[in-house]
Amino acid sequence: LAKTTQPISMDSYEGQEVNITCSHNNIATNDYITWYQQFPSQGPRFIIQGYKTKVTNEVASLFIPADRKSSTLSLPRVSLSDTAVYYCLVGDFYSGGGADGLTFGKGTHLIIQP
Amino acid sequence: GAGVSQTPSNKVTEKGKYVELRCDPISGHTALYWYRQSLGQGPEFLIYFQGTGAADDSGLPNDRFFAVRPEGSVSTLKIQRTERGDSAVYLCASSPRQGYEQYFGPGTRLTVT
Repeated sequence: LAKTTQPISMDSYEGQEVNITCSHNNIATNDYITWYQQFPSQGPRFIIQGYKTKVTNEVASLFIPADRKSSTLSLPRVSLSDTAVYYCLVGDFYSGGGADGLTFGKGTHLIIQP
Repeated sequence: GAGVSQTPSNKVTEKGKYVELRCDPISGHTALYWYRQSLGQGPEFLIYFQGTGAADDSGLPNDRFFAVRPEGSVSTLKIQRTERGDSAVYLCASSPRQGYEQYFGPGTRLTVT
């Protein structure tokens, strides 16, 4: 079971780009990397998922180096509403068995200031 | 379309009582997940279903916890002989298939007094 390590908290300002890095040194060949966002009193919301190199969607980018031992979630031009907890999950989501990849950890509490 | 719904939104019960928490997933989603979340912690996996069967229940803390999904849609999480340590937000999520993004409900806040 791949274990992830993220910073407990980060601060930034509106309009800045924010990068949150997750370490997963024991990532396995079949493991994918998924990021979720959670606001207070709400369930987590899917942001992005990737396996290698770079993935981009309308809200974020995910950078994964060749060794896949870490990944970086990049949020462009953040706003106050991006203040939330961000979780990195790693696991073989498609294997058909096990809860691998369903461990959220404590996440990174991102605080955006004006 | 409608998202994942959970009922009740809040439940207060006395220690030792039995509770049932309900989850209505997004129509057509075959995978359904239960988590619980304590204050300041990330969601903790409990169990997930593929269709009607529990594909993995390794996260259930003990035999007081049980979940069913008899028709492959609605799921019920059942907790017997509740303890104060069971107090948490219980989250349900569904996805079109295992491995795809999960859509979470708003959760049920359970308080055991």
